[in-house]
Amino acid sequence: LAKTTQPISMDSYEGQEVNITCSHNNIATNDYITWYQQFPSQGPRFIIQGYKTKVTNEVASLFIPADRKSSTLSLPRVSLSDTAVYYCLVGDGSSASKIIFGSGTRLSIRP
Amino acid sequence: DAGVIQSPRHEVTEMGQEVTLRCKPISGHDYLFWYRQTMMRGLELLIYFNNNVPIDDSGMPEDRFSAKMPNASFSTLKIQPSEPRDSAVYFCASTLKREGRSRETQYFGPGTRLLVL
Repeated sequence: LAKTTQPISMDSYEGQEVNITCSHNNIATNDYITWYQQFPSQGPRFIIQGYKTKVTNEVASLFIPADRKSSTLSLPRVSLSDTAVYYCLVGDGSSASKIIFGSGTRLSIRP
Repeated sequence: DAGVIQSPRHEVTEMGQEVTLRCKPISGHDYLFWYRQTMMRGLELLIYFNNNVPIDDSGMPEDRFSAKMPNASFSTLKIQPSEPRDSAVYFCASTLKREGRSRETQYFGPGTRLLVL
């Protein structure tokens, strides 16, 4: 499974756009990139998943360059409620859906 | 759907006691996962099941840990005897693997916060 590297923590302010980058240099051809969000005292929650280029949903956007060795989760106009830990995961769906969570990025949003 | 249900939400016990954590996956999901989360080690996969059969238990820390899934709607994680270092939040998650689809997303329960004194 490809190893991922992301910043341990980030700070931002309400209304700003936040971009969290994840490195996955050893990503395999069949691997997808998935991001989860975890609030305190809750289990992780799926945010977005992509394979290449750009994916957007109602919560976030995911940018993946052509070489796929990194990806960037973009949260538009964050609010205090976006304070959470964000995990980047890489793997394929052909195996038995085993997921390995790294240390994640602790995002703190200030007023 | 009520989502993944875990019980109890909190458990405090003394070292040496048996602890049983319970999980009810989302109806229709065919994969079930047990995770443990601590500050030091983060979120670790302990074991997962497919169609009630344990597939990979390589994450189970030692023989004191055991997990069962007697049917599609129920699973248990048991620690016997418990030790203070087992204190953590234990999450259960489930997913439905569909043929031809990309990586499936997992749905996590609220977790059980275990404290072993």
